[in-house]
This record gives sequence, structure tokens and C-alpha cells, in this order.
Amino acid sequence: AQTVTQSQPEMSVQEAETVTLSCTYDTSESNYYLFWYKQPPSRQMILVIRQEAYKQQNATENRFSVNFQKAAKSFSLKISDSQLGDTAMYFCAFMKHGPFRDNYGQNFVFGPGTRLSVLP
Amino acid sequence: DGGITQSPKYLFRKEGQNVTLSCEQNLNHDAMYWYRQDPGQGLRLIYYSQIVNDFQKGDIAEGYSVSREKKESFPLTVTSAQKNPTAFYLCASRRGPGANVLTFGAGSRLTVL
Repeated sequence: AQTVTQSQPEMSVQEAETVTLSCTYDTSESNYYLFWYKQPPSRQMILVIRQEAYKQQNATENRFSVNFQKAAKSFSLKISDSQLGDTAMYFCAFMKHGPFRDNYGQNFVFGPGTRLSVLP
Repeated sequence: DGGITQSPKYLFRKEGQNVTLSCEQNLNHDAMYWYRQDPGQGLRLIYYSQIVNDFQKGDIAEGYSVSREKKESFPLTVTSAQKNPTAFYLCASRRGPGANVLTFGAGSRLTVL
């Protein structure tokens, strides 16, 4: 079974600075997806960024980027130029890429989350 | 705009009562999911459905039941058999087998008094 670990329950960062959230996972699979979801105080889960394991290039989305280290099973999220609106819970998630016909049943495995506070 | 609507946003229940949480999507997504969120535990899968009239248990299905009579709707019933039902419940959907992104509703907070 896959597991996802986020070792930082809470973090804070000053506005406009950079912060990195850590995520490690355990799997024997070679083909999978990794995600970072954001849950702001409204509690609406929002996809921040995703990475396909077979792609060596790290994904980026504006101020958000990842450092994907497949051998180390590490998937950290870097937020540059932090903004007050980045204050949220951040969840790292894993999804196995299964056979097409069975792909619906692929459970997303979520980490416990990191609560990020951006300070003015 | 397409999305997932969950209702009610807040629900209070007395012990021994069954309650049903609504989840409706207009995204034309095939698969729908119910997750439970507790502090410090991330999201745990309760049930999922790949197609109308079919659904599968997730990791923590005991004390819950679902139905999928329409593609758009996937209600969750929290029964009196659920020993610790106070939690935040999230409904999600996926477009199809080739899709790897979950889209979430805004959630429902259930409190047992």
C-alpha cells in the first residue's frame, strides 16, 4: 500500500518570501502521479500542481514549483513570493497509474497536511 | 459554471439518527467519491462510484451507505452505526479513466450532539 508523509504539521513564512513544504511517499509502483492540493479557510480543495512520475522535468505553475526526486521518493512544493492568500492547508497526494480499464478505482492517497500561515 | 455542489454546509444530528449528505455534479464526470477529513489525518476514502448503479467501499465504509441512481448525484448516508461521525465530508469527482485530477465540492460539516 502507498503512504504519503508530510513531516511539517505547521509552517509560517513572511509575505513575499519563499517557503518549501516537504512530502515523501512510499510505493513500489513505477508509474504514478503526485499532486499538491490547497485547502484555504473556505475548505474548498484546490489543485495547485501535479507531476507525472515518468517526467523528469519538475512541474511549475506560476509561483508554485516542485522538486521531484523519484529515487528518494520526495516531492516538495516551493512557493515563491508568498502572498496572504496562500494561507491554507496543503496536502500532498499520490495516485497510482493503473490499467486503463481499472483506472477509476485508483485511490488517491493523501498526506496529513501542512498548515501554512503567511504573515504580513 | 460547472462544479460540485454539496449540501448542507453544516449539519447537526442527535445520536442514533441517520443523516444524508447531498452531492451533485454538473461536470458530466463518470466517477464520484466521498472522503472524510479529520484533523491530522488527511483525507480518507469512504465510498466511490465509477458508474450509475455501481459503487465500491473505500477504506472506512463501515457505518456509511451510498447510492448512485443518476450520474449527477452521489448522496452519502451516515447511519447510526457510525461510531464517530463528527467530521468534515468532501465529495469529489473525476472525468473518466484517463483523467488524473480530482475535483472537489466545498464540503459538509457534520456534528453529532
